[in-house]
Amino acid sequence: AQSVTQLDSHVSVSEGTPVLLRCNYSSSYSPSLFWYVQHPNKGLQLLLKYTSAATLVKGINGFEAEFKKSETSFHLTKPSAHMSDAAEYFCVVSTYNTDKLIFGTGTRLQVFP
Amino acid sequence: DAMVIQNPRYQVTQFGKPVTLSCSQTLNHNVMYWYQQKSSQAPKLLFHYYDKDFNNEADTPDNFQSRRPNTSFCFLDIRSPGLGDAAMYLCATSPLAGVGDEQFFGPGTRLTVL
Repeated sequence: AQSVTQLDSHVSVSEGTPVLLRCNYSSSYSPSLFWYVQHPNKGLQLLLKYTSAATLVKGINGFEAEFKKSETSFHLTKPSAHMSDAAEYFCVVSTYNTDKLIFGTGTRLQVFP
Repeated sequence: DAMVIQNPRYQVTQFGKPVTLSCSQTLNHNVMYWYQQKSSQAPKLLFHYYDKDFNNEADTPDNFQSRRPNTSFCFLDIRSPGLGDAAMYLCATSPLAGVGDEQFFGPGTRLTVL
């Protein structure tokens, strides 16, 4: 069975400060892991994905995430937040033997000027 | 650009009046998905097609139906919308099934039920 836990429902940062959104996963198989972002009234956009290649994954808009198997974590980071980063972020897991994505409950990121 | 398109972006219907939401894709992907997303929640999978093979989630209400007449198009029919069906409906595609790959999402249709 697979599951995803996003440890924070809300994160608030000031513009220009680092962002950390935390995600732990559980999977019986080697997982594929994704971070998606959703701006208000929009669809989901893929930020980055891990599929058993490099453990440090770089994505769009300066985001990156590190796959840590020993900690079953896939935390999302960005060195310097921008106002346009304010959105909902979903950590998602999938495996090779399924057609489905398993979503975390989401983390709402607020960025203050 | 290859993409997933949803029409309309906003749909208003009356309680009990059937409504159809549309999704099209230019990615030529085999798999298409429909999700329901309520406010401040994660998307919930309703059903998906692998090519023409329909796969319904066990907890998807009978009120929701889907059609996929060809590779490019997929429709979501809500036969008798209730107030609880007001939500964002997201269409997604994936090139292959069973490989744990990403899905490509459309912009969504926000459904309001009066």
